[in-house]
Amino acid sequence: NAGVTQTPKFQVLKTGQSMTLQCAQDMNHEYMSWYRQDPGMGLRLIHYSVGAGITDQGEVPNGYNVSRSTTEDFPLRLLSAAPSQTSVYFCASSPVGNNEQFFGPGTRLTVL
Amino acid sequence: GENVEQHPSTLSVQEGDSAVIKCTYSDSASNYFPWYKQELGKRPQLIIDIRSNVGEKKDQRIAVTLNKTAKHFSLHITETQPEDSAVYFCAASRTKGKLIFGQGTTLQVKP
Repeated sequence: NAGVTQTPKFQVLKTGQSMTLQCAQDMNHEYMSWYRQDPGMGLRLIHYSVGAGITDQGEVPNGYNVSRSTTEDFPLRLLSAAPSQTSVYFCASSPVGNNEQFFGPGTRLTVL
Repeated sequence: GENVEQHPSTLSVQEGDSAVIKCTYSDSASNYFPWYKQELGKRPQLIIDIRSNVGEKKDQRIAVTLNKTAKHFSLHITETQPEDSAVYFCAASRTKGKLIFGQGTTLQVKP
């Protein structure tokens, strides 16, 4: 199993551009989440999903959209990038049977 | 809203000493409390977790205690080693897939 994969690893955007961060898992996990990590602020939940077709907002959802059309994929869309969205983004998944979240390697995003 | 406070933000110990990191949470319905270790440039990795029906859990040199009444939980690392140096995060959850993290503690273990 590849586990949780994220692409791209690094991305630079200009203010106002849009893009999609990809996240996929091959462990048949029902639950998937997106976090952003900023220095001194830990990880903050952006959006999460409890299964295909079901998503909900986390602590900091503004400026981001998600969808969950399949169990495997959970893309995060930035609609109009802003410098405040410069961060490291982590995707995570967890199975039905327990609460442990497995994290992807992260995407480092810089918005100029 | 849901909130998790973590202290201290930095901790420096001598190799062989113990280290303790403390967290408090605001949502009394939280029922799952994991601790993650993150090395520089890497993803967070789960090191230990505890559920609300348990007061203490131990795994070799690492232990976690939970006080539901006071809404706080702590990570204890004994016989620290240089490879324990990292950033440690606590988290709390009442809903699967939804972790609320503390701000992190940078642990430095001096040889």
